[in-house]
Amino acid sequence: NAGVTQTPKFRILKIGQSMTLQCTQDMNHNYMYWYRQDPGMGLKLIYYSVGAGITDKGEVPNGYNVSRSTTEDFPLRLELAAPSQTSVYFCASSYSVSQSDEKLFFGSGTQLSVL
Amino acid sequence: GESVGLHLPTLSVQEGDNSIINCAYSNSASDYFIWYKQESGKGPQFIIDIRSNMDKRQGQRVTVLLNKTVKHLSLQIAATQPGDSAVYFCAENSGGFQKLVFGTGTRLLVSP
Repeated sequence: NAGVTQTPKFRILKIGQSMTLQCTQDMNHNYMYWYRQDPGMGLKLIYYSVGAGITDKGEVPNGYNVSRSTTEDFPLRLELAAPSQTSVYFCASSYSVSQSDEKLFFGSGTQLSVL
Repeated sequence: GESVGLHLPTLSVQEGDNSIINCAYSNSASDYFIWYKQESGKGPQFIIDIRSNMDKRQGQRVTVLLNKTVKHLSLQIAATQPGDSAVYFCAENSGGFQKLVFGTGTRLLVSP
């Protein structure tokens, strides 16, 4: 299994541009997540999905959109990039159906700079 | 990611030493705790977890200790190796995947 795969690894955007961060997992996990990681800060949840066709907002959803048309894929869309969205983005997935037992499997991240 | 850890606390140890990384958590209702390891340019990797009904749990070369009285979690790494150099952070869960809260991390530097 490849696990969780994210593309691209690096990207520079101009203010106002849009882009999609791709995420796919081959572990047949139902749960998928997008986090952002800023310097000196813990991971912040942007959006999550409990299964195909179901998505919901996390802690910091503004400026982002997601979709989940298949179990495998969970793309993150930035419509109008802003400097505040400069960050490292991680996609993750998990298999647990328990409320609290969450072992997340992370991708290798996308480093995004908005200039 | 490359930008992670610019202002993180750092623990420097010699190869072969035991390392102890600490984490203070905030929510007394948290019932599940996880330690992650993040190497430069990579995503976080699960190390070990512990439920709130336990005080200690051991893995391969790693031990997690939980002190609920003072809301403190620690990760002990035995016989630290250069490959253990990374950022380590804890996460707590007070119920539900959307309730997972991550700490800011500690950078571990292991010198040969």
